[in-house]
Amino acid sequence: DTGVSQDPRHKITKRGQNVTFRCDPISEHNRLYWYRQTLGQGPEFLTYFQNEAQLEKSRLLSDRFSAERPKGSFSTLEIQRTEQGDSAMYLCASSRQAANTGELFFGEGSRLTVL
Amino acid sequence: SQKIEQNSEALNIQEGKTATLTCNYTNYSPAYLQWYRQDPGRGPVFLLLIRENEKEKRKERLKVTFDTTLKQSLFHITASQPADSATYLCALVETDKLIFGTGTRLQVFP
Repeated sequence: DTGVSQDPRHKITKRGQNVTFRCDPISEHNRLYWYRQTLGQGPEFLTYFQNEAQLEKSRLLSDRFSAERPKGSFSTLEIQRTEQGDSAMYLCASSRQAANTGELFFGEGSRLTVL
Repeated sequence: SQKIEQNSEALNIQEGKTATLTCNYTNYSPAYLQWYRQDPGRGPVFLLLIRENEKEKRKERLKVTFDTTLKQSLFHITASQPADSATYLCALVETDKLIFGTGTRLQVFP
């Protein structure tokens, strides 16, 4: 069990550029979640997958955000035409079970800074 | 939708004392409630899960209570140590995903 890994850990980009984050969950976990966290706030839910199916997407998520989980393994989160308000820590978490019956295992996050 | 309230002000206590953090929610009582610890620049780490029928759960120096009448959970750290300094997040389930409070920062000083 190597834990949840995220890449890159830090990304600095200019406004208007596209960025992509990758998450590798714990191998036997079929659920994968993406959260966003800004300073002084708790993690805010973005979207989640069960295997390769994206089951829910936050209403706060604009059309510039897209997430995929091909083959139910790793996941990517892409942000197109980044804005300064997208600056945040993007957290990935995985679990073997549904969130209400088991713990989430979080990665260390990908910190995005949009200049 | 569910709203979770945690004290946004930092809690400062002396080493050896008991720290008590509060989590209040506004709507329906969830079947489960979870607590996480988060260190600066790191992802949250799971601490405890308590079910609505458990009322209290303990793990080493940690104790969590769950009062569905008050719509409140209390998180206690006994014999606190400087290494317990971190942000503690309360989380509830809403339609099969966890939603988090803003967290309370705990600072334990020698």
